[in-house]
Amino acid sequence: AQSVTQLGSHVSVSEGALVLLRCNYSSSVPPYLFWYVQYPNQGLQLLLKYTSAATLVKGINGFEAEFKKSETSFHLTKPSAHMSDAAEYFCAVRSAGNTPLVFGKGTRLSVIA
Amino acid sequence: NAGVTQTPKFRILKIGQSMTLQCTQDMNHNYMYWYRQDPGMGLKLIYYSVGAGITDKGEVPNGYNVSRSTTEDFPLRLELAAPSQTSVYFCASTLGVDTQYFGPGTRLTVL
Repeated sequence: AQSVTQLGSHVSVSEGALVLLRCNYSSSVPPYLFWYVQYPNQGLQLLLKYTSAATLVKGINGFEAEFKKSETSFHLTKPSAHMSDAAEYFCAVRSAGNTPLVFGKGTRLSVIA
Repeated sequence: NAGVTQTPKFRILKIGQSMTLQCTQDMNHNYMYWYRQDPGMGLKLIYYSVGAGITDKGEVPNGYNVSRSTTEDFPLRLELAAPSQTSVYFCASTLGVDTQYFGPGTRLTVL
């Protein structure tokens, strides 16, 4: 069975500081991995996805994530936080095939001026 | 394309009432999903469908029903609403194993 663990339900960073949101997954087969962002009172929007091509994936708004098979991780980073990055971030996994996405519990990112 | 649309945006129900949450997508996606989102719990899959006429249970199906008579529509039915069904409901769709696209959500309160 697939599962996702996001370390830290709330992360707070200063504006301009590095953003690091952690995601570890469990999957019995090579996974597809996704990061979604949710702004207040909105639906989920795709940030980036890994689908077995390059292990370093670049997404929208300056975010990127690196797939590390040996660590079963897919951490999300951004070099310099902006106030507009404050939102909730969800990591999700899907096994190869047509199974539904399994989501982590989310990490709320706060950005302090 | 409008993408994935959901109605209503907000609803308050009394215990024991029933309602249908509507979901429509105009991207000709074969897969559609219903999730519920509760604070600190992420998204839990309620039901999903791999095509018209085919539905399957997710992680938390109790108290809900679905149907998929067309590719575009995937309504979620709540029978005998309970306070435990107070949540935000999201519909999503995808073409095969590609990105899931989400609707804006329906915020439901059961009192």
